[in-house]
Amino acid sequence: KNQVEQSPQSLIILEGKNCTLQCNYTVSPFSNLRWYKQDTGRGPVSLTIMTFSENTKSNGRYTATLDADTKQSSLHITASQLSDSASYICVVNDNNNDMRFGAGTRLTVKP
Amino acid sequence: EPEVTQTPSHQVTQMGQEVILRCVPISNHLYFYWYRQILGQKVEFLVSFYNNEISEKSEIFDDQFSVERPDGSNFTLKIRSTKLEDSAMYFCASRGTVSNQPQHFGDGTRLSIL
Repeated sequence: KNQVEQSPQSLIILEGKNCTLQCNYTVSPFSNLRWYKQDTGRGPVSLTIMTFSENTKSNGRYTATLDADTKQSSLHITASQLSDSASYICVVNDNNNDMRFGAGTRLTVKP
Repeated sequence: EPEVTQTPSHQVTQMGQEVILRCVPISNHLYFYWYRQILGQKVEFLVSFYNNEISEKSEIFDDQFSVERPDGSNFTLKIRSTKLEDSAMYFCASRGTVSNQPQHFGDGTRLSIL
């Protein structure tokens, strides 16, 4: 079954610290993988997209990696800020453009 | 930056009543979607819509659900006879036609069924 699994479920870090969120998927055939940020009470917002040939992509303090062989992706957040507190959702598209959502990692950044 | 807007932000409805959730997608987008997110759970796909017809729908999107694009700007989700388990956040999304463009989500309508 095509699935997207994220870990950890939740994470608490201190402001200024780095963190890494994980996403494992079994979606096939793979088209692309997106990381979304969902603030409480808001809709998800796309942070970055990774296609099959891309290993690393950065968007400001966010860096996403993709290993298409092991079907793993990570999202690294550098120098966290209070505004980074949100759910981070990994979404994998197959070739039919069907989006498979992970359950998300709930990140809390504390002062 | 253009946004997807959804109304109302919160809808409270008695079980068995009909409800219509409204969305205004980004103006030059041609692909439209509805998702739901039950509290504490992951986002679930309901339906996609293109060229005035449903492209794909999930198992959740049974005959109690329908979508419509009544004019050039609105995209609506109707639930005919609501059930308690329909209580959730409902997100509308739209995207353009360029390959790998992201879906842009609205901020959702919180539907509470009493």
